[in-house]
Amino acid sequence: DAGVIQSPRHEVTEMGQEVTLRCKPISGHDYLFWYRQTMMRGLELLIYFNNNVPIDDSGMPEDRFSAKMPNASFSTLKIQPSEPRDSAVYFCASSQRNSPLHFGNGTRLTVT
Amino acid sequence: AQKVTQAQTEISVVEKEDVTLDCVYETRDTTYYLFWYKQPPSGELVFLIRRNSFDEQNEISGRYSWNFQKSTSSFNFTITASQVVDSAVYFCALRRNNAGNMLTFGGGTRLMVKP
Repeated sequence: DAGVIQSPRHEVTEMGQEVTLRCKPISGHDYLFWYRQTMMRGLELLIYFNNNVPIDDSGMPEDRFSAKMPNASFSTLKIQPSEPRDSAVYFCASSQRNSPLHFGNGTRLTVT
Repeated sequence: AQKVTQAQTEISVVEKEDVTLDCVYETRDTTYYLFWYKQPPSGELVFLIRRNSFDEQNEISGRYSWNFQKSTSSFNFTITASQVVDSAVYFCALRRNNAGNMLTFGGGTRLMVKP
């Protein structure tokens, strides 16, 4: 099994640009999570999906952030427009019900 | 509300020393799950262990052991005879029983093992 696959690994962009982060969960996992990691706030849950449906997006910082899961094998997290304070490592994770989360390697986003 | 506290932000030990990473949690639920994850310098998050609230039996896996004490709401992690490869950030996390697998993470403890 290839594990959770995230792309890109690194993204550097200028303030105001649109950023799209991508995630391919482990096949057969019906939960998908987006977490953000910063030095100041640690690991924060942004949103999670169950069977492709968003269940809890209360962690999404503001309207500039949106996430979609068009099918069981793909999800995107979009930031538009991006700001320097969005700089962080964004992790995608997937799991089956009542099973541990498996994390991807993360996308390190730098907004200048 | 749920909360996970890892009071030790950084620990430095010399190789072969034993080290214990503390984790204290808060929850009103009677059923919940506790986890430890490791984040090595390469950045990925690696699952180490999961315990449910009804199983207070301590667990040992090689040099790793976990002590779960409901009475003190703690789930501590001990590495015996530490090695340089154990250097990483370790996260404790809590999950409610019917919370759709959502994890609440502690702030992490950075462990540095020096040769």
